[in-house]
Amino acid sequence: DTGVSQDPRHKITKRGQNVTFRCDPISEHNRLYWYRQTLGQGPEFLTYFQNEAQLEKSRLLSDRFSAERPKGSFSTLEIQRTEQGDSAMYLCASIPGGYGEQYFGPGTRLTVT
Amino acid sequence: KQEVTQIPAALSVPEGENLVLNCSFTDSAIYNLQWFRQDPGKGLTSLLLIQSSQREQTSGRLNASLDKSSGRSTLYIAASQPGDSATYLCAVMRGNRDDKIIFGKGTRLHILP
Repeated sequence: DTGVSQDPRHKITKRGQNVTFRCDPISEHNRLYWYRQTLGQGPEFLTYFQNEAQLEKSRLLSDRFSAERPKGSFSTLEIQRTEQGDSAMYLCASIPGGYGEQYFGPGTRLTVT
Repeated sequence: KQEVTQIPAALSVPEGENLVLNCSFTDSAIYNLQWFRQDPGKGLTSLLLIQSSQREQTSGRLNASLDKSSGRSTLYIAASQPGDSATYLCAVMRGNRDDKIIFGKGTRLHILP
């Protein structure tokens, strides 16, 4: 399968724990975006990378959130000290080049209890 | 600030009818606009991408148009089928060297058999 993959697909954690999600983009796609989606809403932009450089970070992303894309390949999104309000679907998408079509992964559903 | 609005929020139509979904955006400085479908609990599937220099794109029973000057796009679905039932989302990539992608909240479509 050469699509965008995300791991894990589901994560249940207790409030206060740290979680890390992984996204593997389509090979040779140099742009990678992270979004958060809650029920009944469209995806909200969190951050994006051009190769390994993180170019923009949404104000939605508090200091508890951090994202990396070492070597411009896979990316990780870490949430520290999770809160119940962090419960959402976290989506990753990659783009071949600057302004091409976005390809989404299946998402990671996070539930904070 | 770019805002994307989709009207209606929900729509039910009998099978076989043609229908139009609407997407409007407040800032005409965009690189492209993309339409997606999302099935419950799943990731997003790309339907059509329209670059800012294009007026429309077609794929099978789907036709998307773009009018940048008026800040509008429409997704036309011909001869609707029950399998078309899903949430349809539009997203714009902002221009002027700001490549953030902004989504609407989507239109939830239900095709009645």
